[in-house]
Amino acid sequence: DQQVKQNSPSLSVQEGRISILNCDYTNSMFDYFLWYKKYPAEGPTFLISISSIKDKNEDGRFTVFLNKSAKHLSLHIVPSQPGDSAVYFCAASGETSGSRLTFGEGTQLTVNP
Amino acid sequence: ETGVTQTPRHLVMGMTNKKSLKCEQHLGHNAMYWYKQSAKKPLELMFVYNFKEQTENNSVPSRFSPECPNSSHLFLHLHTLQPEDSALYLCASSPALLSYEQYFGPGTRLTVT
Repeated sequence: DQQVKQNSPSLSVQEGRISILNCDYTNSMFDYFLWYKKYPAEGPTFLISISSIKDKNEDGRFTVFLNKSAKHLSLHIVPSQPGDSAVYFCAASGETSGSRLTFGEGTQLTVNP
Repeated sequence: ETGVTQTPRHLVMGMTNKKSLKCEQHLGHNAMYWYKQSAKKPLELMFVYNFKEQTENNSVPSRFSPECPNSSHLFLHLHTLQPEDSALYLCASSPALLSYEQYFGPGTRLTVT
C-alpha cells in the first residue's frame, strides 16, 4: 500500500513558466511534508518542507501548498529555470513514525530553454 | 570531504560474492540510514541507526547486514545477493533521530549478475 503517490512520472515546462508538481497521501497521521530534488549521479537534496499546521510555505521561487482535507500537496516553481530540471520527490512523516520518511516515486521535471 | 560520501559509486557483483558498501558523514549527525531505490519505485527505508545503535530494520533480508562502528560511519555488508537486489543504495544522515530533514549521499549503483 503506497501511502505517498506522485501520479505524474514526468513534467515538461518552458523556461520562465510555472512548474507545478503534485503529491497525494493517504495516511492522515502524516503531519510533516518535504520535497527533495535529485540530479543524476547525486543523492536527493532537501528543498522545502511544510508542517500540517500551515497551508503554504514559500522559499524564493519555491512554494509548497498543503490541502489537508484533500490529502494533497503541490510544489510550485516560478519562474522555472533549466537548472531546475531534476527528479522531485515528495516525502511525508508523522509523529507516530518518528524519523521514517515515506517517499513518493518521483516526478522528472524538464525545463526547456 | 563534506556532507555524506559513499563508496564505491558503482559495484557489479556475482550472486556468490561478498562485498561492502561504505558511507561516511562529515556533518556531526547522530542518526544514519540506508535506503534502497529500485527502478521506478519510491525510496525504501532499510535500516536506521541512532548513536551507533540500530533502531529500525524494515524487514530486510539477512543477506544485507549493516554495521555502524561510530556515528560517522555506516556499512552495508552484502552476501549471496539476488539479481532483484540490483538498485541504487543511498545512505543518509540527520542531526537527530527525529529530524525530518535527512542529508543523502550520492548512492552506490549496485548490479548483481
